[in-house]
Amino acid sequence: NAGVMQNPRHLVRRRGQEARLRCSPMKGHSHVYWYRQLPEEGLKFMVYLQKENIIDESGMPKERFSAEFPKEGPSILRIQQVVRGDSAAYFCASSPNPLSGANVLTFGAGSRLTVL
Amino acid sequence: AQKITQTQPGMFVQEKEAVTLDCTYDTSDPSYGLFWYKQPSSGEMIFLIYQGSYDQQNATEGRYSLNFQKARKSANLVISASQLGDSAMYFCAMREDLSGSARQLTFGSGTQLTVLP
Repeated sequence: NAGVMQNPRHLVRRRGQEARLRCSPMKGHSHVYWYRQLPEEGLKFMVYLQKENIIDESGMPKERFSAEFPKEGPSILRIQQVVRGDSAAYFCASSPNPLSGANVLTFGAGSRLTVL
Repeated sequence: AQKITQTQPGMFVQEKEAVTLDCTYDTSDPSYGLFWYKQPSSGEMIFLIYQGSYDQQNATEGRYSLNFQKARKSANLVISASQLGDSAMYFCAMREDLSGSARQLTFGSGTQLTVLP
């Protein structure tokens, strides 16, 4: 029973390029969350999606960042025209139901983006 | 104001000793959940323990227990009989059930625990 799968694990981009990070939730999970972890900091919420719907994007930067979770396939976090400040670890998490009670987020291993 | 505060950037503990990692939180929601996650050097986030705001008893999971003091708004993690493999970054997190952040977790800045042989 595979956990949350993220790829690539490591991604290097030059300034101005695009970065695409993919996340396949755990089997049976239809709720996906993206978090960003800057060096030496905790995780910061970015966006919460269900299949074909963005439920909460209050943590997403207004420009250059977008996320989707199509009916088929993984969730994608897309960063256009990357800048050095985008260098971070990006974590995906999933849950079977909306986050409530003892419902726990299961995290992937993260995708580490380095912008040169 | 910080919603989750972890005041110990780094902690050291001798192997086989117990250690307490501090976490205080700030919320006006009567219903919330508190979580601890472990992040070893390999980078993944591992769930350790959960405490609900209405739970009467402190949560325990093996060597992990949560010292929940509601009036003080603290949710300290206690690790008993530390092992070398416990060396990692530990994050406290909160879910607030009635505010807009019911859909996500808010994390503290973490405590780096080092277990000494």
